[in-house]
Amino acid sequence: DIVMTQTPLSLSVTPGQPASISCKSSQSLLHSDGKTHLFWYLQKPGQPPQLLIYEVSKRLSGVPDRFSGSGSGTDFTLKISRVEAEDVGVYYCMQSIQLPFTFGPGTKVDIK
Amino acid sequence: QLQLQESGPGLVKPSETLSLTCTVSGGSISSSSFYWGWIRQPPGKGLEWIGTIYYSGSTYYNPSLKSRVIISLDTSKNQFSLKLSSVTAADTAVYFCARQDVRGWGNFDSWGQGTLVTVSS
Repeated sequence: DIVMTQTPLSLSVTPGQPASISCKSSQSLLHSDGKTHLFWYLQKPGQPPQLLIYEVSKRLSGVPDRFSGSGSGTDFTLKISRVEAEDVGVYYCMQSIQLPFTFGPGTKVDIK
Repeated sequence: QLQLQESGPGLVKPSETLSLTCTVSGGSISSSSFYWGWIRQPPGKGLEWIGTIYYSGSTYYNPSLKSRVIISLDTSKNQFSLKLSSVTAADTAVYFCARQDVRGWGNFDSWGQGTLVTVSS
């Protein structure tokens, strides 16, 4: 299985300040179809996960532009340019290049 | 607006079979544009993909669970189901159903609220 790791595992951020989460995969997520199969999900407290970003950097419709994804191969980053109170929750990266789909352990983001 | 709703027993005895159903409204599970998946989350822990089914009936399972899992469709009811046999306490989790986009099946773009299943005698 592809192992996904995330750092940090927790993050406390002052509103209005930026935040960054790193995700690394044990194998390259670049597929022969040219797509990189890396996704970011946010699970707000008491809710199911919600898709934020797909294929490394594409924001799902309705996701604020303060969220951005970058990276390639095995190293990826999710950035929040200015954290808002509604951004609290656990952020997961996930790969779908190879079954089984695997998720990172999650990064818990809260507000200072 | 697409909605998914999980249903089933909240308590299952060890060694028995866990059975859950996901009812889809606002969209058809017979669409060739989507897959339908199950994901679980043990209390306080991370996410684990269980398996996925396509409208054709093709199924894809997590090898760690494959010997115990069956996912099926009931197109007449617009539902898909999960059966997990020989459960133990380790199967205690919130179980989510979700839709996956066929253009990129890592896109779990709609989720149910989840249902907690506890395995205990």
